[in-house]
Amino acid sequence: AQSVTQLGSHVSVSEGALVLLRCNYSSSVPPYLFWYVQYPNQGLQLLLKYTSAATLVKGINGFEAEFKKSETSFHLTKPSAHMSDAAEYFCAVSDLGNQGGKLIFGQGTELSVKP
Amino acid sequence: EPEVTQTPSHQVTQMGQEVILRCVPISNHLYFYWYRQILGQKVEFLVSFYNNEISEKSEIFDDQFSVERPDGSNFTLKIRSTKLEDSAMYFCASSRQKNTEAFFGQGTRLTVV
Repeated sequence: AQSVTQLGSHVSVSEGALVLLRCNYSSSVPPYLFWYVQYPNQGLQLLLKYTSAATLVKGINGFEAEFKKSETSFHLTKPSAHMSDAAEYFCAVSDLGNQGGKLIFGQGTELSVKP
Repeated sequence: EPEVTQTPSHQVTQMGQEVILRCVPISNHLYFYWYRQILGQKVEFLVSFYNNEISEKSEIFDDQFSVERPDGSNFTLKIRSTKLEDSAMYFCASSRQKNTEAFFGQGTRLTVV
């Protein structure tokens, strides 16, 4: 069965500091991995995705994530945080074993950015 | 840019009443989904729909829930007899293919009183 674990329900960084949001997955077959962002009172917006091509994936708003099979991880990073990055971030996994392509989400990490 | 639209944005209903949540997926997408997010909790999968039938459903999606694509553009989620614990944000999503990125609507906040 697939699962996603996001370490840290709340991460706080200073503006300009490195952002690191952790995600570990479990999947019996090669996974497809996604990061979504949710701003207050809004839907989920795709940040980036890994679908078995390059292991370092670049997304929108300066975010990137690296797929590490040996560590079953897909951590999200951004070199320099901006106030507008404050939001909830969700890691999600899907795989070919799914009949309908559903996403399994982690618990989410709320990112706060201090001035 | 194409987007998934959901109506209404907020619905308040009395326990035991039926509600229908509506979604218009992106027009050339083939896979449709409903997810829900109880306040403060993670996003949970409810059901996926492809080729006019349910392809997968979760344990949450019991006999009180149903989905329909009545006219080739709308995708609806019906809850027959709402319970207090059905209060949540419900998200519709669609994707062009299986295992590609899903595009989410803004959600419908359902409050059961």
